Amino acid sequence: KAGVTQTPRYLIKTRGQQVTLSCSPISGHRSVSWYQQTPGQGLQFLFEYFSETQRNKGNFPGRFSGRQFSNSRSEMNVSTLELGDSALYLCASSLAGQGASGYTFGSGTRLTVV
Amino acid sequence: SQQGEEDPQALSIQEGENATMNCSYKTSINNLQWYRQNSGRGLVHLILIRSNEREKHSGRLRVTLDTSKKSSSLLITASRAADTASYFCARDRDNAGNMLTFGGGTRLMVKP
Repeated sequence: KAGVTQTPRYLIKTRGQQVTLSCSPISGHRSVSWYQQTPGQGLQFLFEYFSETQRNKGNFPGRFSGRQFSNSRSEMNVSTLELGDSALYLCASSLAGQGASGYTFGSGTRLTVV
Repeated sequence: SQQGEEDPQALSIQEGENATMNCSYKTSINNLQWYRQNSGRGLVHLILIRSNEREKHSGRLRVTLDTSKKSSSLLITASRAADTASYFCARDRDNAGNMLTFGGGTRLMVKP
């Protein structure tokens, strides 16, 4: 079966711009979570969507937002980009449960803000 | 910020040797998971151990969990060059949706 697909793989943006990243989960998985990975802060949870509803949110400013569509695909948006937003953004999908079987991650989108 | 600590931060061994990585955490867990990441790519799920389990095996991997000490360890036996990667432990929160809290990771290098 197809894995978790994240697009685009690489992105370069200028400070002040906004960006939208996309994640298509494994077919049948209804939960999509987003993580930010930086050398300084490591892997940090951004938010989780389940059945088009945000179920959990990490400690990130309101510039970071997301949504989930009826087909479970998810997008995250970062507005007014800052240099510190440069990171690898990972999404993970899981079945409806509590991740009891682990999560499947995509390959990530590497965002560079210049 | 991370709520788990892993040690060592980096580990270099020869092929065929065993590699042990440790993870400590601060709060209660539903389960603890280990992931591998190759060179800035996505995370690959290795093994999940529930809070009521003490040990779990998967191929050359062995994970132990000590909830009284809030710690876990990952043992890779008979390591191979292909095991070179970063390894992360992640705590799964209870009953609050899907959210993982990751440790800082251990960078493992296996020399051929």
